[in-house]
Amino acid sequence: EVQVLESGGDLVQPGESLRLSCAASGFSFRNFAMGWIRQAPGKGLEWLATIHDDGVGTYYADSAKGRFSISRDNTKNTVFLQMSSLRPEDTAVYYCAKAAGYTVGAYYFDHWGQGTLVTVSS
Amino acid sequence: QSVLTQPPSVSGAPGQRVTISCTGSSSNIGAGSDVHWYQQLPGTAPKLLIYGNNNRPSGVPDRLFGSKSGTSASLAITGLQAEDEADYYCLSYDTLSGWVFGGGTKLTVL
Repeated sequence: EVQVLESGGDLVQPGESLRLSCAASGFSFRNFAMGWIRQAPGKGLEWLATIHDDGVGTYYADSAKGRFSISRDNTKNTVFLQMSSLRPEDTAVYYCAKAAGYTVGAYYFDHWGQGTLVTVSS
Repeated sequence: QSVLTQPPSVSGAPGQRVTISCTGSSSNIGAGSDVHWYQQLPGTAPKLLIYGNNNRPSGVPDRLFGSKSGTSASLAITGLQAEDEADYYCLSYDTLSGWVFGGGTKLTVL
């Protein structure tokens, strides 16, 4: 069974940094791209970042460029989201998801974790 | 303002058919990008319903249909049931912005 489990969410102050982790199991992790998506309270889904299976190719939404960094450790079946200079508007549930599809333009997210809550407030 | 436009809400009585539209542009759906659909029940993670425009993962009932034409796509749900009440999102790849979600549609079963 495919499982994706996020961790690292916390209450932080504006300007601080935070690293989220996502542990995956039940599939050949090194062969699949992974992504991060967030959902602010009462709002819709917002894609943030995607990383290729080999960790070399990364893609970011404009809202994440320059402040967020996605990475992965294929030896530990884990993907990370490093977030810096956090703002109150970054408050959201952050989801990690396994990607499926044969080409970048055809990627979609087929298995999602339950999410981890990040709250940015003074 | 989402790159993909969905109606904020739709409703239908049990047993009826409802459709949810997802309107894009020449940089996403109109460029040939596939459309995928998700269901999100309150307090839970999104669940994949349709991938590649019209394919259902195992376990998704055949009451759900996806279609795509031009710069738009639709999710149809027939034989509406109380358990279908949820938020629904479309997803596609935009050549300018990366992956983009629709703003979401709240389905109410009357």
